[in-house]
Amino acid sequence: DAGVTQTPRHEVAEKGQTIILKCEPVSGHNDLFWYRQTKIQGLELLSYFRSKSLMEDGGAFKDRFKAEMLNSSFSTLKIQPTEPKDSAVYLCASSLEGLGYNYAEQFFGPGTRLTVL
Amino acid sequence: GEQVEQRPPHLSVREGDSAVITCTYTDPNSYYFFWYKQEPGASLQLLMKVFSSTEINEGQGFTVLLNKKDKRLSLNLTAAHPGDSAAYFCAVSARTGGADRLTFGKGTQLIIQP
Repeated sequence: DAGVTQTPRHEVAEKGQTIILKCEPVSGHNDLFWYRQTKIQGLELLSYFRSKSLMEDGGAFKDRFKAEMLNSSFSTLKIQPTEPKDSAVYLCASSLEGLGYNYAEQFFGPGTRLTVL
Repeated sequence: GEQVEQRPPHLSVREGDSAVITCTYTDPNSYYFFWYKQEPGASLQLLMKVFSSTEINEGQGFTVLLNKKDKRLSLNLTAAHPGDSAAYFCAVSARTGGADRLTFGKGTQLIIQP
């Protein structure tokens, strides 16, 4: 079975550009998460979808970050315009909705390393 | 919201020695606890998980201890080997709005010296 896939693996952008990161969750999973990982802040939740509906949009990340999920097997994260402080690894994770007391384990993709010059 | 503090940020031990990484959390309603391993250039892999209070879980050379009373989670490595060199993250989960939300510690970079 394919795990979570992310493309591209590396992205270099000039300040002010628009970039789009892509994620394909594990087939059948209905929860999808976007995280940003930096050495200073660690892992921060950017967006969370359940069955394609946006449940959480990450508060502080709202103004230039926009995640979309047009179908159950594909999600994008758009950063517009990019700034040097956006340089980080962007991780996508998916899970199957936990029912009752069953925990829904999150499976992580390999990440996209973004460098903004 | 939940806050998770992980210590130490960096840890270097010799091969064969033990190592301990600790996390403390703030939300008493947290009920699932995890340790993830991240090797260089790779994504996070679930290493171990615990659910019950004061539970010990063992596997892959690691022991996880959870103390809900003190809101403390630890990862103990009993005999380090070079393959254990990686970043380790604790994660604490609470169900909010029907979803399991993970809050991560900032990680510990573990280096095993020969």
